[in-house]
Amino acid sequence: SAVISQKPSRDICQRGTSLTIQCQVDSQVTMMFWYRQQPGQSLTLIATANQGSEATYESGFVIDKFPISRPNLTFSTLTVSNMSPEDSSIYLCSVEDLSGGFYEQYFGPGTRLTVT
Amino acid sequence: RKEVEQDPGPFNVPEGATVAFNCTYSNSASQSFFWYRQDCRKEPKLLMSVYSSGNEDGRFTAQLNRASQYISLLIRDSKLSDSATYLCVVNPETGANNLFFGTGTRLTVIP
Repeated sequence: SAVISQKPSRDICQRGTSLTIQCQVDSQVTMMFWYRQQPGQSLTLIATANQGSEATYESGFVIDKFPISRPNLTFSTLTVSNMSPEDSSIYLCSVEDLSGGFYEQYFGPGTRLTVT
Repeated sequence: RKEVEQDPGPFNVPEGATVAFNCTYSNSASQSFFWYRQDCRKEPKLLMSVYSSGNEDGRFTAQLNRASQYISLLIRDSKLSDSATYLCVVNPETGANNLFFGTGTRLTVIP
């Protein structure tokens, strides 16, 4: 499976500021995904990042709050804008890999964000 | 109704025991199913994919019951290292990328 890295691994930010999270994959992938995992909860998909087109956002998530870039097939960024304490969460990117005719998703190590 | 529902546990079992987790899903058209393992403060790691009636990998067996819309994960001969949260994940549409995650079942294997 692909090797995925994320930067930063963690950060503490003040409310009202923005943070950009980077996701790097060691191979070219068509689909990259951004998830959020709030404390004590499971994962929620924020958006799907396709190279060469705008990201597709899930219900409850908007581009102004979570702008995404996908400049090439190995890299994506997620920005958490105008942060509030409610944005404190783990943010994970994932990629899709075809195995046995079905797609499986693999996750990066996550970025732990605390907003004060 | 949630897309995916799991018993949150915790399950506390002794080493060597057999433990089973169940997960139910709401969309009868769902095509692919997964079990992920997530250790504390780590990312989820794919444990098993379930595309037909079931899958077995060493001490781990996953079974799919489409009629009752549930997936199970059986762990035999539990090891201390099996302690983790196990996430049931469902892809509701063939060819789509959206995954629905259960809230996870926490397992602790006791010496």
